[in-house]
Amino acid sequence: DAEITQSPRHKITETGRQVTLACHQTWNHNNMFWYRQDLGHGLRLIHYSYGVQDTNKGEVSDGYSVSRSNTEDLPLTLESAASSQTSVYFCASSESGGGTEAFFGQGTRLTVV
Amino acid sequence: GQNIDQPTEMTATEGAIVQINCTYQTSGFNGLFWYQQHAGEAPTFLSYNVLDGLEEKGRFSSFLSRSKGYSYLLLKELQMKDSASYLCAPMEYGNKLVFGAGTILRVKS
Repeated sequence: DAEITQSPRHKITETGRQVTLACHQTWNHNNMFWYRQDLGHGLRLIHYSYGVQDTNKGEVSDGYSVSRSNTEDLPLTLESAASSQTSVYFCASSESGGGTEAFFGQGTRLTVV
Repeated sequence: GQNIDQPTEMTATEGAIVQINCTYQTSGFNGLFWYQQHAGEAPTFLSYNVLDGLEEKGRFSSFLSRSKGYSYLLLKELQMKDSASYLCAPMEYGNKLVFGAGTILRVKS
C-alpha cells in the first residue's frame, strides 16, 4: 500500500544545531507540505512544494528550509535549532488538482534543549 | 488574511448527536475539509465540501455555506472512539490547507 512516512519519530537536539527531518511518500503525489502543530495554534504551514525543484514558503517559514530533488521526498531542515522550534512536525502530500485530500505522516516530535 | 474559528472544547454523551461549527475567512477558497485527529496521531480525512449544502457519510455529515463563510460537522450516534480533535480546514488556491486550532470533543458514557 502507498504511504507517507516520517523519520525520526522523536528527536532531541541542542540549540544551534542543524536538524533535518525526513518525509517520504510512495503515493507519487506532486504536492507535499510541512506543518508544525503547537497547542493553541493548530497546524501551521511551514513550506510546501508542487513538484521537483519547486519550493514555497508558508506562514511560519523563518528558520526552516526544504528541497525537492525527487517526487518522493521533501526533507525539512532547521538551519540552527531554537527552543521556539520545539513542536510536532507533520508532513503531508496530495495529488495535483483542486480539492484533493491530503494524507499525513505520523509526525515527528522535536525537542530543542 | 486567514481566520478560522471553532470552539475549543465540547462534551457530549455516547449515543447523542453533536454539531461542531466553524467560521472562516481565507485568501481564495477551494473547498473545506474536516479532519479527525486522535491524541498523538496524524490527522485523518473525514469530509470535503466544495459546494453549498450537506454531504453525508455514514454517521458523519458536513455542511457548507460559502456566502456565510460557515461550515459544521455533525456526528450522530456518538461512540467513545469519537473522542478526538476535529480540525476545520478551508483550502486555499494551490491546495494549501489552512487549519483552525481544532475542537477537542470528549464523549462520556
